[in-house]
Amino acid sequence: GAVVSQHPSWVICKSGTSVKIECRSLDFQATTMFWYRQFPKQSLMLMATSNEGSKATYEQGVEKDKFLINHASLTLSTLTVTSAHPEDSSFYICSASRGGDQPQHFGDGTRLSIL
Amino acid sequence: RKEVEQDPGPFNVPEGATVAFNCTYSNSASQSFFWYRQDCRKEPKLLMSVYSSGNEDGRFTAQLNRASQYISLLIRDSKLSDSATYLCAVTGLHTGGFKTIFGAGTRLFVKA
Repeated sequence: GAVVSQHPSWVICKSGTSVKIECRSLDFQATTMFWYRQFPKQSLMLMATSNEGSKATYEQGVEKDKFLINHASLTLSTLTVTSAHPEDSSFYICSASRGGDQPQHFGDGTRLSIL
Repeated sequence: RKEVEQDPGPFNVPEGATVAFNCTYSNSASQSFFWYRQDCRKEPKLLMSVYSSGNEDGRFTAQLNRASQYISLLIRDSKLSDSATYLCAVTGLHTGGFKTIFGAGTRLFVKA
């Protein structure tokens, strides 16, 4: 199997709050984890790629100081949205891969609403 | 031109119909190919990998044409529950390692 758990599923909070999202691979070791954002009726947008024990690689236009990614172990990566504002409201989805050309397996996603 | 392109659709088909999606890619060095299904407001789920010899899983058949650089997904005997967005994904070696590019997805509506 290839089960990826993402937590929390929903977050509603005030503007200025920092929000932490966890992504765990439950039954395999994920060499690489990915963070995506998706707006309604739009395609997946890759934000960053992280490998265990090293700094994340951010896509162009994604602020690394705004979206902090930590990949401390082969089963856990976290995304922290710092000082979130209404425009950060979106569906955030993580995925994990065994590495190389193996497929990505997605977490359930986190729906973030900033008031 | 995008690295991976799909017809956005939507495809509206009746139950029982056969429907096919194509996905073209520009990187000739691409190595792995996948189809995902994404339901509304949910995460993408891996549907099947695509092999050079083609592969079948029940009503779903995936094929790869390396010469023309496209992959296809055929759904036979469509069910209402097949309504979803279908994403293709192409993995290849880029500077810095393997990278997977997802298509924007093709929306399918199966109607009774």
